[in-house]
Amino acid sequence: NAGVTQTPKFQVLKTGQSMTLQCAQDMNHEYMSWYRQDPGMGLRLIHYSVGAGITDQGEVPNGYNVSRSTTEDFPLRLLSAAPSQTSVYFCASSPRWDSYQPQHFGDGTRLSIL
Amino acid sequence: KQEVTQIPAALSVPEGENLVLNCSFTDSAIYNLQWFRQDPGKGLTSLLLIQSSQREQTSGRLNASLDKSSGRSTLYIAASQPGDSATYLCARKLTFGKGTKLSVIP
Repeated sequence: NAGVTQTPKFQVLKTGQSMTLQCAQDMNHEYMSWYRQDPGMGLRLIHYSVGAGITDQGEVPNGYNVSRSTTEDFPLRLLSAAPSQTSVYFCASSPRWDSYQPQHFGDGTRLSIL
Repeated sequence: KQEVTQIPAALSVPEGENLVLNCSFTDSAIYNLQWFRQDPGKGLTSLLLIQSSQREQTSGRLNASLDKSSGRSTLYIAASQPGDSATYLCARKLTFGKGTKLSVIP
C-alpha cells in the first residue's frame, strides 16, 4: 500500500499564479482532509471531505478550493496564490467519516509564494 | 471552538529517563484523541489512538491516557532514547495542539 501520496513535494509560485496540490489514497478511506502547518500556528484545517461528492470548510478555507469526485483523490486548488499561503500542506485520511480523526498523513508539499 | 493545548512546548531529557507529555482540551464531548510524532521536514506518524470509550492505549514503550472529565491526555514514554527526539502532537476532533519538541540527550 502506498498510503497517502502528495504531489508535488516542493513548489515555488509567483503571486497571482494558480496551482493544484494533489492528494491520493489507496486505502478506500471515507474521510480526507487538508491541513497547513506554519511555525507557531500548528496544524490548521483548510477543507475536509466525508465522502465522494461531499466537502466542507475547515478553520482557514479562504483562497482554497477542493473537490472530491472519487474516493481516492482530494485535490487542493490555490486560486490566486498570495505570500500568506507560503506553508507546508498536509493531506490526511481516515477510514470512517465520523471518526473525526485524520489518522494517515502524506509527506507534505512545501509551497513558497514569491 | 475546540482548543487543544500542549505543555511544555519543548523538553530536553537525558537518555534513559521516563517522561510525560501533556495535552489538554476544552471540549468534553465524546471524541477520540490521537497522538502523533513528527520528525523534522517530515509528515505526521500516528502513534496511539484512544477511542472515546477507552482510558488508555499502549504500544511498546509508549502509553497514552485519556481523562475526559478533566479534559486531559498524557503520553508516557519509558526509558527514552535519542531516536525518540521529535515533535509530539495530540489531536482531538480535527484540532491539533502545537506540539512538544522533545530532545533526548545521549
